[in-house]
Amino acid sequence: DAGVIQSPRHEVTEMGQEVTLRCKPISGHDYLFWYRQTMMRGLELLIYFNNNVPIDDSGMPEDRFSAKMPNASFSTLKIQPSEPRDSAVYFCASSFGQASYNEQFFGPGTRLTVL
Amino acid sequence: AQSVTQLGSHVSVSEGALVLLRCNYSSSVPPYLFWYVQYPNQGLQLLLKYTSAATLVKGINGFEAEFKKSETSFHLTKPSAHMSDAAEYFCAVSGRNTGGFKTIFGAGTRLFVKA
Repeated sequence: DAGVIQSPRHEVTEMGQEVTLRCKPISGHDYLFWYRQTMMRGLELLIYFNNNVPIDDSGMPEDRFSAKMPNASFSTLKIQPSEPRDSAVYFCASSFGQASYNEQFFGPGTRLTVL
Repeated sequence: AQSVTQLGSHVSVSEGALVLLRCNYSSSVPPYLFWYVQYPNQGLQLLLKYTSAATLVKGINGFEAEFKKSETSFHLTKPSAHMSDAAEYFCAVSGRNTGGFKTIFGAGTRLFVKA
C-alpha cells in the first residue's frame, strides 16, 4: 500500500484566499483524522471521521475551517478565508478498527504558509 | 481527562550512549500509551504502544518503554544511540471508554545524536 497520501505537500497563499488540503487514507481504514502541527501548540486534533461520518469536530478552531469525507478514499480540509495564523503543517492520518489503541498511520503532511 | 507531559523539549546524546526520553501521563481511565517518531519532513510513525499486555514494551529500531502505573510514567529508552535516531519523539495517550478516539499527543522531544 502507498500509505496515506496528502496533497499538496506545500501551499503558499495570501491572506483571505481559500485553501483546500486533500487526503487519501489507506485502503480499508475506517477512521480518518486531521491534525495541525505548530511550534507553539504542538500537534492538535482538528476532526476525525468514522466510516465517512464526522464524529468529533471540537478541535476545529473556528467556522473558517471545514472538513468533508465524501467517500472512504478521500477527504478535504478547507480554510476560507485563510489567515496568517493558520500557517502550520497539516497532517492526515488513518486507522482501522474500533479500538482506541489502534495505530494511526500519518501522511507526510501539507506545509501551509499564509502570507 | 487525559494529558501527557514530555520532560525536555531537546535531548542530546553521543552516538553509542543511552537514550532516555521521559513521558508522564494523566488519565482518568486505564490508558493506552504510545511513542511515535517523526523524521524531518515526514509524518509520525509508531515506535511502540502499551495496551496492558505487558509493562515492558519493545518497539522498532531497538527502542523500548516501560509502563509504571505508580509513577504514571512511560519513558522511552534505547541502550545505544545511533545517528539515524535523530528525530522528534512524541508520547501519546488514549483511553478506554473515553467516548471517542482522541489520542492526546505530548509536545515532543527532539533528540540530537552527536558523533
